[in-house]
Amino acid sequence: DTAVSQTPKYLVTQMGNDKSIKCEQNLGHDTMYWYKQDSKKFLKIMFSYNNKELIINETVPNRFSPKSPDKAHLNLHINSLELGDSAVYFCASSHFGGAAEQYFGPGTRLTVT
Amino acid sequence: AQSVTQLDSQVPVFEEAPVELRCNYSSSVSVYLFWYVQYPNQGLQLLLKYLSGSTLVESINGFEAEFNKSQTSFHLRKPSVHISDTAEYFCAVTPNQNSGGSNYKLTFGKGTLLTVNP
Repeated sequence: DTAVSQTPKYLVTQMGNDKSIKCEQNLGHDTMYWYKQDSKKFLKIMFSYNNKELIINETVPNRFSPKSPDKAHLNLHINSLELGDSAVYFCASSHFGGAAEQYFGPGTRLTVT
Repeated sequence: AQSVTQLDSQVPVFEEAPVELRCNYSSSVSVYLFWYVQYPNQGLQLLLKYLSGSTLVESINGFEAEFNKSQTSFHLRKPSVHISDTAEYFCAVTPNQNSGGSNYKLTFGKGTLLTVNP
């Protein structure tokens, strides 16, 4: 059973398009996250939701909009894609609290041409 | 705010050799510390973590890390590495429960690529 799943795994699109990435977890966690990993492997948090409420919103262009329809799902919609958005996007989930282990999905490799 | 410095971006070693991956952090409050591992083309997995108590923590696959508060370090060690340990290793930090705040944001270092050669 996949714990944290993301779709799609690969996404190739042109500049200016709008795209979405979906994430689902079946671990019963109440907190979910989106991370961006750039080409140098640097990992940075973008957003976090706890019980469907946004609790972390880093300095991210407002072209990025997360949505959490329920505790098990966290989607990421990106408008007007730019070349600099090319990266691997990871979804993660955990129980609430800093001591909790975060479980990561396999990642979505987004390539903007 | 917290920051993490991983002093080596790449560490090549031969199989069965010992290895140490260095991590230093900066924080004005007490923290929890983590090491995550990312195997090629996969997501991250928790390797081990320090929350409180004994400063030496161990993983199930032979890695250990020691929390040193005075040196603000959390170096990762393994006495004898295998080819299968080849991966990217990330040190991370978050404020602990006694530090106030409620967002528990994980701040990652830039990663160390461990390459184990035969």
